[in-house]
Amino acid sequence: RKEVEQDPGPFNVPEGATVAFNCTYSNSASQSFFWYRQDCRKEPKLLMSVYSSGNEDGRFTAQLNRASQYISLLIRDSKLSDSATYLCVVNQYSSASKIIFGSGTRLSIRP
Amino acid sequence: SQTIHQWPATLVQPVGSPLSLECTVEGTSNPNLYWYRQAAGRGLQLLFYSVGIGQISSEVPQNLSASRPQDRQFILSSKKLLLSDSGFYLCAWGSNTGELFFGEGSRLTVL
Repeated sequence: RKEVEQDPGPFNVPEGATVAFNCTYSNSASQSFFWYRQDCRKEPKLLMSVYSSGNEDGRFTAQLNRASQYISLLIRDSKLSDSATYLCVVNQYSSASKIIFGSGTRLSIRP
Repeated sequence: SQTIHQWPATLVQPVGSPLSLECTVEGTSNPNLYWYRQAAGRGLQLLFYSVGIGQISSEVPQNLSASRPQDRQFILSSKKLLLSDSGFYLCAWGSNTGELFFGEGSRLTVL
């Protein structure tokens, strides 16, 4: 079983739609969680951290469910500029800061 | 502020040739450093991470090696490249909150 699993997509949705991604992780000792965004042929960049109580940043909402070992990302009112690959990231502090990426979910927003 | 530099940006190498990719970080001390590889259309695979000088953890058996001769320098090497070594190599440093900051990447094509 992969340490971090994501639906690879692609998700192809119209502008203005709401889209949600899920990610599961296998190590229950994982300490911190993030969503990164990667544009084509570029390095990944942090989109947002994921906190236990859930957190929101504008149109983006992240949730963490430790009991079920999954995290989610919700994008509301999607824009053309949201088209990218979204990477789920898990930091296993218990393993000396071993940081594992999911394989990414591709999102394409159409006009 | 912290910066991370990675080079070369692009290289084309024949099978069996050696490889050296270099990464340096400025503006922070004793950072956790990481090497990831991303094959075309795939996610990021953790290759090596380092929590200090001379301390290297290897995640995947392969013909690559990493070294950390100085606190802010992380080098990825190979004595003999394989076709399967082609990919996008990313160096990153990790903050104490677990967030990763990436270099711009090195795109390697092995022919």
